Amino acid sequence: DSGVTQTPKHLITATGQRVTLRCSPRSGDLSVYWYQQSLDQGLQFLIQYYNGEERAKGNILERFSAQQFPDLHSELNLSSLELGDSALYFCASSDRDSSLYEQYFGPGTRLTVT
Amino acid sequence: AQSVTQLDSHVSVSEGTPVLLRCNYSSSYSPSLFWYVQHPNKGLQLLLKYTSAATLVKGINGFEAEFKKSETSFHLTKPSAHMSDAAEYFCVVSARGSGNTGKLIFGQGTTLQVKP
Repeated sequence: DSGVTQTPKHLITATGQRVTLRCSPRSGDLSVYWYQQSLDQGLQFLIQYYNGEERAKGNILERFSAQQFPDLHSELNLSSLELGDSALYFCASSDRDSSLYEQYFGPGTRLTVT
Repeated sequence: AQSVTQLDSHVSVSEGTPVLLRCNYSSSYSPSLFWYVQHPNKGLQLLLKYTSAATLVKGINGFEAEFKKSETSFHLTKPSAHMSDAAEYFCVVSARGSGNTGKLIFGQGTTLQVKP
C-alpha cells in the first residue's frame, strides 16, 4: 500500500459527459502527479501540482483540467468525454518538487466511456 | 529531449532462471532512471532508481540494474525468477529542463511471464 488513495476505483459513463477523479496524496507529500495509461498510448504524464500550484504539464487535453486544494488532495476533471478517453488514470505523490525522486502511485481509477 | 525504449515487449522465463529486461535511454542531460513494476490490477511500485551515484543499483525483491553510459542502457536483472515476479515492468527516465520538473517518461513496458 503506497499511501496514495484514489476514488472512485471504477467509473463508467457515456460520451459527452463530465467526470471528476479524486486523489489523496501520502501524508506530508506536496506534489501530486496525474498519469493516463491506455493500450495505444501507454503511460503518459498529464500534469503536476506542487503545494497548490501547477508545476509541469504533459500531454493533457484542453478538455481535461486539474487542481490541488489547500488540504493537498487533487482532482482531475475530464469533460466532453470521448470513447478514446477510456483508460486507467493514476495519481502519484512525492515529497519533492522534482521528478528526480521517487513517486508513489495510487491504485488508479479505471474510466470506461461508452 | 529524453526518451526510453524497452527492447522486449514480452519476456518469458522459467522459475529459478535469470531475468533480463532491457532498456535503452536517450537524454541530453545526466539522466535519472527508474524501474517500476505493475502487478495486475495494481498501481505502480518502484523497484529501483539511478540518480548518478553508484552505477550498479540494487532494488527490492532481488532486482538490480546497471547504468552503462557508453551503451545508454539500464537493463534490469534478477538472478532467479520467482512466480510472484510475473508482472509488467516499466523503464522510466526523468525529464529535465524548464517546465519538465515533474515529468516521468515511461517505456512501453515489458510483460514478464514466469513459467513453473
